[in-house]
Amino acid sequence: EDQVTQSPEALRLQEGESSSLNCSYTVSGLRGLFWYRQDPGKGPEFLFTLYSAGEEKEKERLKATLTKKESFLHITAPKPEDSATYLCAVKSSASKIIFGSGTRLSIRP
Amino acid sequence: ETGVTQTPRHLVMGMTNKKSLKCEQHLGHNAMYWYKQSAKKPLELMFVYSLEERVENNSVPSRFSPECPNSSHLFLHLHTLQPEDSALYLCASSQEEGGNSPLHFGNGTRLTVT
Repeated sequence: EDQVTQSPEALRLQEGESSSLNCSYTVSGLRGLFWYRQDPGKGPEFLFTLYSAGEEKEKERLKATLTKKESFLHITAPKPEDSATYLCAVKSSASKIIFGSGTRLSIRP
Repeated sequence: ETGVTQTPRHLVMGMTNKKSLKCEQHLGHNAMYWYKQSAKKPLELMFVYSLEERVENNSVPSRFSPECPNSSHLFLHLHTLQPEDSALYLCASSQEEGGNSPLHFGNGTRLTVT
């Protein structure tokens, strides 16, 4: 069964304290792994797509990496404005998109 | 106006009411989606439309009725809802339905069923 698990459920960091969010997946034929950011009261905002193991993408303080079983979203020297819920989703060979439950990230000044 | 726009932003309705949610995308995309987001649960896909044809109905109760009059507009008609239907309803679009293009979401309608 296709499944996406994100950990931790919530993460509180001090400003400048780097860390990583995890997205573990089981899917039949990965066609793409997507990271989104969701602010309170808003819809998810697209960040990255990763297609194959070994691929990396960067945007400002965020870097996403992909292996055959999981993806990491690394946050380097985060700022309070990076506080949000980060969602991971995978697309299977059957074109089904499966979302994880998200990680709520809080950055304290 | 750009992106995906949803109206209303908030909706409170009784169980016997009939209401509709509206979504409009200005991205020139060919696929549109309805998702349900409940607290601490993954997004649940409800319906998918590709070029105005419904291609997926994810075992959604008949009290939810989608309509896609053209590739830019999507509606979700609601009637005789239950309190457990209270959630954030998100509309999304993508370039095409079967490819690898990402979803672009609206800001959702927060629905409360009393």
